[in-house]
Amino acid sequence: DVQLVESGGGLVQPGGSLRLSCAASGFTFSSYGMNWVRQAPGKGLEWVSYISSSSSTIYYADSVKGRFTISRDNAKNSLYLQMNSLRDEDTAVYYCARVKDYYSYYYMDVWGKGTTVTGSS
Amino acid sequence: EIVMTQSPATLSVSPGERATLSCRASQSVNSNLAWYQQKPGQAPRLLIYGASTRATGIPARFSGSGSGTEFTLTISSLQSEDFAVYYCQQYNNWPPYTFGQGTKLEIK
Repeated sequence: DVQLVESGGGLVQPGGSLRLSCAASGFTFSSYGMNWVRQAPGKGLEWVSYISSSSSTIYYADSVKGRFTISRDNAKNSLYLQMNSLRDEDTAVYYCARVKDYYSYYYMDVWGKGTTVTGSS
Repeated sequence: EIVMTQSPATLSVSPGERATLSCRASQSVNSNLAWYQQKPGQAPRLLIYGASTRATGIPARFSGSGSGTEFTLTISSLQSEDFAVYYCQQYNNWPPYTFGQGTKLEIK
């Protein structure tokens, strides 16, 4: 079964740091781009960051640019999100999602169950 | 940035009836639109991609239509497990990927 499992969430003070992980299984991780998407409590979905299969292409939402860093380790089938200078508005459930290539257009076909990041202010 | 607008915000429908959810893009996204279903406490689940192609394992009662700026998700005969929040999302012009604000489908 294709599976994504996030971890690393927790309670963090404003200005603090946290590193999220996403463990992939059941597919060839190194062949897929990956996204992080978040959802604040009671709110909708917000895309956060993208990384290509080889890490050669990386994008960030303006709301996290300069504070968050996405990375991956294909040998470990793992995706990461380093979150620095955290703000209250970063409180959310963070999902990792696999990116599927459909005629050179890229949608998200598999999602993990998410990990929760909570600001402690 | 492409803005996605869903309507209505909440839709009340009886089991067995048809539900029609709408999604509008601020500019053309061609057919590069996906629909997701999210139940409380769960991750989003892909229903439709390419505006009208059902994802693997999605029942035939779910159908998507539209192109350009106007899209529709139709659930032909609502089952109890279909009551959830539905999001549309464009992947034609990114970054950023953008989502609609969601439509909550509730039992009437």
